[in-house]
Amino acid sequence: QSVLTQPPSASGTPGQRVTISCSGSSYNIGSNYVYWYQQLPGTAPKLLIYKNNQRPSGVPDRFSGSKSATSASLAISGLRSEDEADYYCAAWDDSLSAVLFGGGTKLTVL
Amino acid sequence: EVQLVESGGGLVQPGGSLRLSCAGSGFTLSSYEMNWVRQAPGKGLEWVSYISSRGTIIYYADSVKGRFTMSRDNAKNSLYLQMNSLRAEDTAIYYCARVKLDYDDSSGTGMDVWGKGTTVTVSS
Repeated sequence: QSVLTQPPSASGTPGQRVTISCSGSSYNIGSNYVYWYQQLPGTAPKLLIYKNNQRPSGVPDRFSGSKSATSASLAISGLRSEDEADYYCAAWDDSLSAVLFGGGTKLTVL
Repeated sequence: EVQLVESGGGLVQPGGSLRLSCAGSGFTLSSYEMNWVRQAPGKGLEWVSYISSRGTIIYYADSVKGRFTMSRDNAKNSLYLQMNSLRAEDTAIYYCARVKLDYDDSSGTGMDVWGKGTTVTVSS
């Protein structure tokens, strides 16, 4: 069971905006940066958002991240079929001295 | 091209051992902190272990503590994961991942380069 809680699924139609939440505690999200990863089917994860809201070069600005207190969100605007993937949040946990991943959210583009 | 390539996976009986390797190319591995992350079949990502650039700081997930040992040989641009007392629940794809260089964040959580993974199956 993940200490970072994500909804197991999300969906939207092309062009829509969808958000994926990630809930943690004061030991992880509340005191450390949040990262988001995208995993397309059959491939390795890819860094999508770092330090709460920064995009690595090459990641479209349709993807954005935010954090407030012990929760974080990933927003995807202008949804495209190629965004269909699993999305994971991650953060360091000070009490466990461990990297935590959320359970993952499967995004379906209808 | 910046690349990580894992090797050493395979089928092993419960209680057995395996040593995974991760070779880096296109960059100087010794400058980077590194992680091992695994993914059981049909499941989510699970962090396994972290090592600092010089190998002086190592952290493990509770699920593998005392059974797995992470190490590195910077002269060989390589990373290792020695896995002992393997259990069925260790069955997974094991990825090595490079931690993004960022002097503002020492959490080791931002992984910007990933290998394709090596599959470990623990079964009798």
